[in-house]
Formats: sequence, structure tokens, C-alpha cells
Amino acid sequence: NAGVMQNPRHLVRRRGQEARLRCSPMKGHSHVYWYRQLPEEGLKFMVYLQKENIIDESGMPKERFSAEFPKEGPSILRIQQVVRGDSAAYFCASSPGGTGGIEQYFGPGTRLTVT
Amino acid sequence: KNQVEQSPQSLIILEGKNCTLQCNYTVSPFSNLRWYKQDTGRGPVSLTIMTFSENTKSNGRYTATLDADTKQSSLHITASQLSDSASYICVVSETSYDKVIFGPGTSLSVIP
Repeated sequence: NAGVMQNPRHLVRRRGQEARLRCSPMKGHSHVYWYRQLPEEGLKFMVYLQKENIIDESGMPKERFSAEFPKEGPSILRIQQVVRGDSAAYFCASSPGGTGGIEQYFGPGTRLTVT
Repeated sequence: KNQVEQSPQSLIILEGKNCTLQCNYTVSPFSNLRWYKQDTGRGPVSLTIMTFSENTKSNGRYTATLDADTKQSSLHITASQLSDSASYICVVSETSYDKVIFGPGTSLSVIP
């Protein structure tokens, strides 16, 4: 059973471009979480999704950021018109949810650099 | 405001020695507390997870304790190894659907 996969591992974007970060949860997991880790800081919750539903997006900036977890395919975190302050490591985690348990398994992260 | 604090911020110990990391939280309501290990450049890996009713949990050389009354937790590492060098993060979940709050982490360096 492969772990949580994220791609790309590294992403460089110029200011104003769009960044798309992908997360494939572990097999059988229907819950996905996105976190952001700014340099020298701890991880911060962004959004929690289940298949086709956003459950909690209270940690996500109101503008430029969006997330989805379609019925088929990976979860996508989209950042439009990136700015230098968006440079960070973005981690995705997945869990089975429900009776399957709440343990979250993290991917290796995508390191976004905005130039 | 829900917060998770950790101490010390950083720690250097000799290989083979024991150490204890501390976590204090003000998160309410409380669902569970976990300790994660994060190697540089990688995602966090779970070490232990404890619910309200659990006082201690072990995972190999790692032993976590939880005092839900004082809202404190500790992570004890015995017989440290060089590979234990990492950031150790205390994470508290406040809801049943597992919205979590991360502590800032303790950076541990084990030296020969």
C-alpha cells in the first residue's frame, strides 16, 4: 500500500502565476487534509476535505486559494496569482475516517518557491 | 485562543542518553493528542496518539504521557540514536473530525 503521494515535490512559480499542488491519499482513505509550513514555523491547518466535499476550510486564505477532492483523482490545492509570501512547504495528509480511524498519514510535501 | 506550546525549543544530547520533551496546550474541547517526528525536508510521521482517557503510550523507545487535567504531555526518548535527530511536534485535535493544532516543535540533535 503506497503512502500518501504529493507532486510535484518542488515547484517554482513567478509572482502572478498559478500553482497547482496534487495529493493522492493512501488507498482506502477518503479524508484529506492540507497544511502549510512557512519557513521556521510549525504546520498550520488549511482545509479538510472528504470526497467531493469541503468539510472545513477555516484555515485557508479567503482569496486566491481553493481546494478540491473530486470523486476520481487526486486532491488539488490551487493557488492563483501567487505572491512571495506563498513560498512554503505544503503538506497533505489522509485518513480513513469514520470507523477506520482518525490517524493522519502525511505525504512528503510540496515545496513552493515564488520568485 | 487554542494554542499548543512546546519546550525546549531545541535540545542537543549525546548518543545513548535519554531526554524528555514537553507540551502544554490550551485547546478545548479536546479530542486527542499526538506526537509526530519530522525529519528535515520530509512529512511528519506519527509516533503516538492518545485520547482523553489514556495516560501513557509507548512506541519502541518513545513513551508519551498525558495529563488531561493539567493539559500537559511529555515525550520521553530512551537510549537516543543519531537517527532520532529531528523535529518533534506535539499536535492536539479539538474536534471529532480531527481538526488539529500543531505545536512549534522541539528540534532535537543527537550527537556522537
